Amino acid sequence: GAVVSQHPSWVICKSGTSVKIECRSLDFQATTMFWYRQFPKQSLMLMATSNEGSKATYEQGVEKDKFLINHASLTLSTLTVTSAHPEDSSFYICSASRDRSPRVQYFGPGTRLLVL
Amino acid sequence: AQSVAQPEDQVNVAEGNPLTVKCTYSVSGNPYLFWYVQYPNRGLQFLLKYITGDNLVKGSYGFEAEFNKSQTSFHLKKPSALVSDSALYFCAVRPYNTDKLIFGTGTRLQVFP
Repeated sequence: GAVVSQHPSWVICKSGTSVKIECRSLDFQATTMFWYRQFPKQSLMLMATSNEGSKATYEQGVEKDKFLINHASLTLSTLTVTSAHPEDSSFYICSASRDRSPRVQYFGPGTRLLVL
Repeated sequence: AQSVAQPEDQVNVAEGNPLTVKCTYSVSGNPYLFWYVQYPNRGLQFLLKYITGDNLVKGSYGFEAEFNKSQTSFHLKKPSALVSDSALYFCAVRPYNTDKLIFGTGTRLQVFP
């Protein structure tokens, strides 16, 4: 149990285009979903926290208009990188939390984005 | 500032030997503590957690971790390492008043045959 999927697993796009990444909890309802970014050989940096039906809470320094997050249902959250630029190239990982407490986060397999 | 430290970038151990991956934290209050493992080009897999109670926590794949409040440490251990344990290990802390996880920088474990 507690499986989280992401789609696509990797994407290459041209600079200036927008890319949408989906995160799904397959066998549980996720009260909260999280989006992280991981640079090579570095740790995970939290970008935003989203709760179903409400606006996402972004971490300091993360551009809301550039990284659009939609949490449409208890099993689906999407991250859209708008007007992508090469510096947005990274590994994006989502996680989902189902428990009331202590709310273990279960992670998706990640999406590697390369912006040319 | 709240932080998690994994002092070793890499840990090398021979197969069959015990392994320890270190983690210390600086968080106010009584946090929840987690270990995750990441294989190449994959997301993180949950290994174990400490919430309260017994300081020795047992998790997946034979791993365990010992919580030491006085030393603010949560070291990951395994009595006998396998080559398949080779991966990147992350320690994470969740302060008691938030859902957010604070991650360490990760430790690469290399188990040699």
